[in-house]
Amino acid sequence: NAGVTQTPKFQVLKTGQSMTLQCAQDMNHEYMSWYRQDPGMGLRLIHYSVGAGITDQGEVPNGYNVSRSTTEDFPLRLLSAAPSQTSVYFCASSGTSGNEQYFGPGTRLTVT
Amino acid sequence: GENVEQHPSTLSVQEGDSAVIKCTYSDSASNYFPWYKQELGKRPQLIIDIRSNVGEKKDQRIAVTLNKTAKHFSLHITETQPEDSAVYFCAASITPGGSYIPTFGRGTSLIVHP
Repeated sequence: NAGVTQTPKFQVLKTGQSMTLQCAQDMNHEYMSWYRQDPGMGLRLIHYSVGAGITDQGEVPNGYNVSRSTTEDFPLRLLSAAPSQTSVYFCASSGTSGNEQYFGPGTRLTVT
Repeated sequence: GENVEQHPSTLSVQEGDSAVIKCTYSDSASNYFPWYKQELGKRPQLIIDIRSNVGEKKDQRIAVTLNKTAKHFSLHITETQPEDSAVYFCAASITPGGSYIPTFGRGTSLIVHP
């Protein structure tokens, strides 16, 4: 199993550009989440999904969209990138017991 | 919603010393308390967890204690080694049956000096 994969690893955007961060898992997990990690701020939840077709907002959803058309994939869309969205983004998945979060390797995004 | 406070934000110890990281939570319904370790440039990974029906759990040099009444839980690392240097996150959630989404503390940067 590859676990949780994310692409790209690094990305530089200009203000106003849009892009999609990809996340996939091959563990048949129901739950998937997106977090952003900023220095001193811990892991803040952006959006999450409890199954295909079901998504909900987390703590910091503004400027981001998600969809969950399949169990495996959970892409995160930045609609119009802003410098405040410069961060490291982690995708995570968890099984139906909702216990351990399996994190992807992260995407480091810089918005100039 | 749940609020998790974690202290200290930075902890510096000498190799061989013990390290303790403390977290408090606000939602008395939370019943699952994991700890994650994140090495520099890597992803967070689960190192130990505890459920609310257990007061203490050990795994070699690490242990977690939980005080449900006071709503706090702690990570204890004994005989620290340089490879223990990392950022540690505590979290709290309601699982199964709840939202399952963990709320994370802000992290503790542990530095172990050789």
